[in-house]
Amino acid sequence: LAKTTQPISMDSYEGQEVNITCSHNNIATNDYITWYQQFPSQGPRFIIQGYKTKVTNEVASLFIPADRKSSTLSLPRVSLSDTAVYYCLVGDMERGGADGLTFGKGTHLIIQP
Amino acid sequence: AAGVIQSPRHLIKEKRETATLKCYPIPRHDTVYWYQQGPGQDPQFLISFYEKMQSDKGSIPDRFSAQQFSDYHSELNMSSLELGDSALYFCASSFGGSSTDTQYFGPGTRLTVL
Repeated sequence: LAKTTQPISMDSYEGQEVNITCSHNNIATNDYITWYQQFPSQGPRFIIQGYKTKVTNEVASLFIPADRKSSTLSLPRVSLSDTAVYYCLVGDMERGGADGLTFGKGTHLIIQP
Repeated sequence: AAGVIQSPRHLIKEKRETATLKCYPIPRHDTVYWYQQGPGQDPQFLISFYEKMQSDKGSIPDRFSAQQFSDYHSELNMSSLELGDSALYFCASSFGGSSTDTQYFGPGTRLTVL
C-alpha cells in the first residue's frame, strides 16, 4: 500500500480557501486517491475521490499532478464547521473486493473566526 | 436519506466479559466494514463482508469475530474483553463489493471496558 504523508495540523480563517496536500511518492499505477473528513466522535465522511488531474464536487476539489506523487484537497471558503480531521487515503482499484480503508495520520484543520 | 445504524451507541463492560455490537447497513447496501478507533488514534480496519462472505481482514484480534447475516446486518462479537479494547467502533456500508465504492460510516459504538 502506498504510504501517505500529510501535515499534522493546519489553521485558517473563515471565508478562506484551504489547501491540504498529501504526499504519496510510491503510488502505483492502479492506485486511486480518496479523502475523508472526520468530526470528533463521529464516523469518517467521504469527501472526494480521484485518479488524475482534477475532480470537483459540491464540497471540494481534488488536484492531482501528472506524476501523481501528491494530491491537494481544496476547500473553498471554509467555515467554522469545517474544523475536522482530514484523511488522505490511497487504494488499489484493481485489487477488487471490499477492502478496508487504511487511515494514516490525518490533518487536523482548525478554522478560526 | 437512511444512514448506517449501529447499536448500542454506548456500552460499558468489565474485563473478561463479552460484547456484541450490531450494524445495520444502508438499505440495499451489500457490504459491511468494521473499524476500531482508540482514543486519539486513527481508525483501524478490522474486517469486512460482502454478500455475507468475509471479504477482507485487517487487524482484528482473535478474540473478536464477526458475521454478516441474510438481511445484510452484521454483528461484531468481542470476547475476553481487555482494557485496551475501549474504543469507538465504527461500521461502514457500501454497495457493490468493490474497493473503489464509497464507504458510508455509522455513528459508532463507544465501548468502555472497566
